[in-house]
Amino acid sequence: EVQLVESGGGLVQPGRSLRLSCTASGFPFGDYAMGWFRQAPGKGLEWVGFIRSKAYGGATEYAASVKGRFTISRDDSKTIVYLQMNSLKTEDTAVYYCSRVVFGDYGRWFDPWGQGNLVTVSS
Amino acid sequence: QSALTQPASVSGSPGQSITISCTETSSDVGSYNLVSWYQQHPGKAPKLMIYEGSKRPSGVSNRFSGSKSGNTASLTISGLQAEDEADYYCCSYVGSSASVVFGGGTNLTVL
Repeated sequence: EVQLVESGGGLVQPGRSLRLSCTASGFPFGDYAMGWFRQAPGKGLEWVGFIRSKAYGGATEYAASVKGRFTISRDDSKTIVYLQMNSLKTEDTAVYYCSRVVFGDYGRWFDPWGQGNLVTVSS
Repeated sequence: QSALTQPASVSGSPGQSITISCTETSSDVGSYNLVSWYQQHPGKAPKLMIYEGSKRPSGVSNRFSGSKSGNTASLTISGLQAEDEADYYCCSYVGSSASVVFGGGTNLTVL
């Protein structure tokens, strides 16, 4: 069974850092790109960024709202993808999800998704 | 600016069919890949329902179908059931900006 489990969320003060982890199982992790998404309370889904597989250089792409503050990395030996969040703002408060990224001929899609991990940025 | 526009809400009675639209509203029309659709129940993670515009993942009911006409993608749910009540999001990769965009989401109510 393909499974993604996030960890590392919690309460953090504005300006501080936090790292989320997403542990994958049930599929050849190193062959896939992995993505991060978030959902602010009562709001819609927002893409955060993704990291390609090592076969594609492990390249990363980020949403404009987090570029320069957030960094995605991966450890294929541990089947974990990380989201390092620096200089956190109150507007970063959200449930954060990780997902496997599938690149098709005509699109990209995200399946499955982890259970989500709440990050609250507040003083 | 890239954007996907969905109606905020739709409703239908059990057994009926409903359609949720997703319109590309950007000068980047043509740079959008075919959309994927996600179902999200309250407090739960999103679930992939349709990918590449009209393909259904294994395990997803054939009551769910996707299509596209012009710059508008659509998700149709036939034979509505109470369990279909959820939020639905369309999503696309925009090649010109190397970004991913979601529609604002549509809340489906089964009356």
